[in-house]
Amino acid sequence: QKEVEQDPGPLSVPEGAIVSLNCTYSNSAFQYFMWYRQYSRKGPELLMYTYSSGNKEDGRFTAQVDKSSKYISLFIRDSQPSDSATYLCAMSGGSARQLTFGSGTQLTVLP
Amino acid sequence: DAGVIQSPRHEVTEMGQEVTLRCKPISGHNSLFWYRQTMMRGLELLIYFNNNVPIDDSGMPEDRFSAKMPNASFSTLKIQPSEPRDSAVYFCASSFLAGDQETQYFGPGTRLLVL
Repeated sequence: QKEVEQDPGPLSVPEGAIVSLNCTYSNSAFQYFMWYRQYSRKGPELLMYTYSSGNKEDGRFTAQVDKSSKYISLFIRDSQPSDSATYLCAMSGGSARQLTFGSGTQLTVLP
Repeated sequence: DAGVIQSPRHEVTEMGQEVTLRCKPISGHNSLFWYRQTMMRGLELLIYFNNNVPIDDSGMPEDRFSAKMPNASFSTLKIQPSEPRDSAVYFCASSFLAGDQETQYFGPGTRLLVL
């Protein structure tokens, strides 16, 4: 079993829809949780960063962490075609530098 | 800032040849990471350096892989001899620690194809 599980999709939604992306993990030592966005043929770029449990909002993006369930989510409101990308969850334990990545979910937002 | 710079962007080589991938981290960053991304295994950490010193190379697949960071502005990842299963996208990332938060900035990657 992988330490971090993520549904690879692909996920296709109409423009304006609310998108929900999720990851589960097994390592209870993880404390730092991140979401990266990766456009085709580009490197990943950090989208959201949260520490421990709770919610964090940034514009149309909301990240949720539920450590009791070992479950993290990323919500995208009013999705746009420019949001079409692969979304990778990542997490780490005591040191935020050794990241374990999910396999990524490919999202397409249709105009 | 130009961001993390990687070269070459694409590399096609034959099995058995030596391959050298290069990375220039963002100026002022003190940590550098090498990752490999494949469809089958996703994004995997190979090795990371802190202040030019290798800290954890447990992700390096085997002795054919080696990495160096001779100074704060340059790192190499070498594969010798290369094999077809090494075909992947190799990313370099750099970061700096600010309080509790450390953000890794990725380069554009090097697409390696070993024939």
